[in-house]
Amino acid sequence: GAVVSQHPSWVICKSGTSVKIECRSLDFQATTMFWYRQFPKQSLMLMATSNEGSKATYEQGVEKDKFLINHASLTLSTLTVTSAHPEDSSFYICSAPGTTHTYEQYFGPGTRLTVT
Amino acid sequence: GQQLNQSPQSMFIQEGEDVSMNCTSSSIFNTWLWYKQDPGEGPVLLIALYKAGELTSNGRLTAQFGITRKDSFLNISASIPSDVGIYFCAGQRINYGGGADGLTFGKGTHLIIQP
Repeated sequence: GAVVSQHPSWVICKSGTSVKIECRSLDFQATTMFWYRQFPKQSLMLMATSNEGSKATYEQGVEKDKFLINHASLTLSTLTVTSAHPEDSSFYICSAPGTTHTYEQYFGPGTRLTVT
Repeated sequence: GQQLNQSPQSMFIQEGEDVSMNCTSSSIFNTWLWYKQDPGEGPVLLIALYKAGELTSNGRLTAQFGITRKDSFLNISASIPSDVGIYFCAGQRINYGGGADGLTFGKGTHLIIQP
């Protein structure tokens, strides 16, 4: 199946520091991956589309200079939250399209970020 | 960002009962997906729908893609305790470039089952 992993599963950082979250497709290649954010008891909101070998595209209202995305290989996308603040505390989840049906998306287990 | 209108927000049912939830949108989607999310985990894909009017089953789950492409429903028959969780509908926009596109999610239906 299409398995997506994320690392770390949770992270606590101090305000003003940067945090990197990795998203990997384990048994398939993904030229496109997606990053979502989920606040407590809310739905998932698409933040950006990560494109292998090219710049990411960001949804309206998402600061591209704050949420840096790098899709350096066909199996790895990284999201770096720069100069994190407490309001950035959230559950960050990535997804990748399946190979059989590209319209199906498979999600990673998520990364819980807490900024103190 | 846009969200889909998903209802009900929560359901308290007895084990063995059937469950029905639905999503509507003001926009057309070319794919509707239904996910289940357990606390602290990523969503797990339950059913994917690709054609307007399509009715698809996955075990005790049945979902339909509305004719107008603006709605979908999910039914769960004979609920069991492990069905507890949050169910999300998600729509995928038409991507004329041929690739995948990001998903727009509903607000979720929290299913609680009383034994």
